[in-house]
Amino acid sequence: GAVVSQHPSRVICKSGTSVKIECRSLDFQATTMFWYRQFPKQSLMLMATSNEGSKATYEQGVEKDKFLINHASLTLSTLTVTSAHPEDSSFYICSAPMSRWETQYFGPGTRLLVL
Amino acid sequence: GIQVEQSPPDLILQEGANSTLRCNFSDSVNNLQWFHQNPWGQLINLFYIPSGTKQNGRLSATTVATERYSLLYISSSQTTDSGVYFCAVAGNNNDMRFGAGTRLTVKP
Repeated sequence: GAVVSQHPSRVICKSGTSVKIECRSLDFQATTMFWYRQFPKQSLMLMATSNEGSKATYEQGVEKDKFLINHASLTLSTLTVTSAHPEDSSFYICSAPMSRWETQYFGPGTRLLVL
Repeated sequence: GIQVEQSPPDLILQEGANSTLRCNFSDSVNNLQWFHQNPWGQLINLFYIPSGTKQNGRLSATTVATERYSLLYISSSQTTDSGVYFCAVAGNNNDMRFGAGTRLTVKP
């Protein structure tokens, strides 16, 4: 079946540094990918839609200058958390649909801890 | 955006019991999926079911799109079924919105 990978799976960084998370669709092309954030004991919240060839669209309340998204190719989207702070510590998950209205495949997630 | 409500929020069962999890949504959807989130955070896709009924082993799901709800049935529950079950839906934009989840605990 279709697979979406994320790298790294876990990252610990110091406050003020930037962290890049990669999301790849391994055996299909995805013109659109989605980024979610999940805090402990909570549900997944959509952060932004990553669009290949155009700017990402962000959900209300998500700072686009803090969470930089680049859809570099049809199989790769990156999320960069800039000037990370402890409150950015969370579980970040990406997803990609193989095609419109088909099953969405989710990556294994990246656990970010900002000290 | 589409609102998604799941019930019950918590469910405790004895091994072998059956259960029904419910997902209500506020608008018509083009995608509905049920997931089980394992202890490591991985979302395991259980069903893609924007309408109709599907079965996979001890699990089955039914979505009545016209009435805007979906049900996930777990029969003969096992301890390994424990975890959080999420319902997620997508409208025209294909961006999935998640419910708050049902935390299932199956006791031996």
